[in-house]
Amino acid sequence: QVQLEQSGPGLVKPSQTLSLACAISGDSVSAYDAAWNWIRQSPSRGLEWLGRIYYRSRWITDYAVFMNSRIIIKADASKNQFSLQLNSMTPDDTAVYYCARDDISGSYNYFDPWGQGTRVTVSS
Amino acid sequence: DIQMTQSPSSLAASLGDRVTITCRASQSVANYLNWYQQRPGEAPKLLIYAASSLRSGVPSRFSGSGSGTDFTLTISGLQPEDFATYYCQQSYSKIFGPGTTVHIK
Repeated sequence: QVQLEQSGPGLVKPSQTLSLACAISGDSVSAYDAAWNWIRQSPSRGLEWLGRIYYRSRWITDYAVFMNSRIIIKADASKNQFSLQLNSMTPDDTAVYYCARDDISGSYNYFDPWGQGTRVTVSS
Repeated sequence: DIQMTQSPSSLAASLGDRVTITCRASQSVANYLNWYQQRPGEAPKLLIYAASSLRSGVPSRFSGSGSGTDFTLTISGLQPEDFATYYCQQSYSKIFGPGTTVHIK
């Protein structure tokens, strides 16, 4: 059974960088049938997919266009985890951030399971 | 970009009721449509994928149907743990609908 455990700060100052990690158990970050995603949720914008990383002999990332190059997702195979780095944080980035696994082995993709969520507030 | 809408935005129902939630895509998404349940304070959980395939372990009172632009999630016999918010998601674009909250009547 795959489980995802998130870690990282709940408070970030404006203009600073958010760094979150998602530790994987029951699967490998390098698994060929999986992609590892970051999704956030806020009352104003609902659920938004931010980006993902997956392994195909090399690490490949996809990012949501609206992130405007502020986002970096990395994988650490030695720790079996992946991470989110979001630069130039503003109060508009205040949200609950989730990590989630995406099965990319077949024709149908879906997010399952999800991490427990990290509530991030951007405030000075 | 594909837009996803859901109706109603909220509904009140009683235990044992049959509940139907609708999701509509702005253009055809074939059957690339997922449904998630989110209880307060919890992360979303996958219920249905590929429009009508029930995730392993999800009770059979949940069912999904539809293709193209119009989809439905049906809960047959509402249980106390089903009072939650339900989201559809187009799996290719990863766009989520705005959600439908099921309240107790």
